[in-house]
Amino acid sequence: DIQMTQSPSSLSASVGDRVTITCRASQGIRNDLSWYQQKPGKAPKRLIFAASSLQSGVPSRFSGSGSGTEFTLSIGSLQPEDFAAYYCLQHNSYPITFGQGTRLEIK
Amino acid sequence: EVQLVQSGAEVKKPGESLKMSCKGSGYSFSSYWIVWVRQMPGKGLEWMGTIYPGDSDTRYSPSFQGQVTMSADKSISTAYVQWSSLKASDTAMYYCVRQSGWYGPPDYWGQGTLVTVSS
Repeated sequence: DIQMTQSPSSLSASVGDRVTITCRASQGIRNDLSWYQQKPGKAPKRLIFAASSLQSGVPSRFSGSGSGTEFTLSIGSLQPEDFAAYYCLQHNSYPITFGQGTRLEIK
Repeated sequence: EVQLVQSGAEVKKPGESLKMSCKGSGYSFSSYWIVWVRQMPGKGLEWMGTIYPGDSDTRYSPSFQGQVTMSADKSISTAYVQWSSLKASDTAMYYCVRQSGWYGPPDYWGQGTLVTVSS
């Protein structure tokens, strides 16, 4: 099974900050990785697919990069609505696996 | 507009059975896969399994194999997951998600079904 190690597990930041979240795969997954945002009480929403492709309608301050085993989600100039939980997911091989999640909180 | 609409919240007792649904609209239901995801209270997301409604071929997570049964009825664009005997540890939010192929990136999510199992 491919393990996805996501870090940090929590992060405090201020409005206007730039933050980066990392997911490391235990083996190469090409670019078969998506990022999701989940706000409290809501279903997750896809932000990024194919490691770096921005989902339609998602603000351009969100970006993804990486390939193989190391991936990052960056949020430039945090907005109040960005404080949420974020998850990576690999769909390169079965079982599909999620990262443990990152809780982004307001400082 | 692509939509996945899940059945309503459930309150069950241990040992009871449950079948929850996920109805797709706005796309060709039998041409996309459906993923089921569990989120236990205050925890992260877990992949339970994936079903292809076109032929009902299914892949289960080892953690859920034998614990749930996934099915689909493409004639009514609906996927299901069912339990024959619930446990308190099945208390969670369950989501269905559309996926474009066995190895495609999951995209659209249902709103979730909250299951509470308590005596």
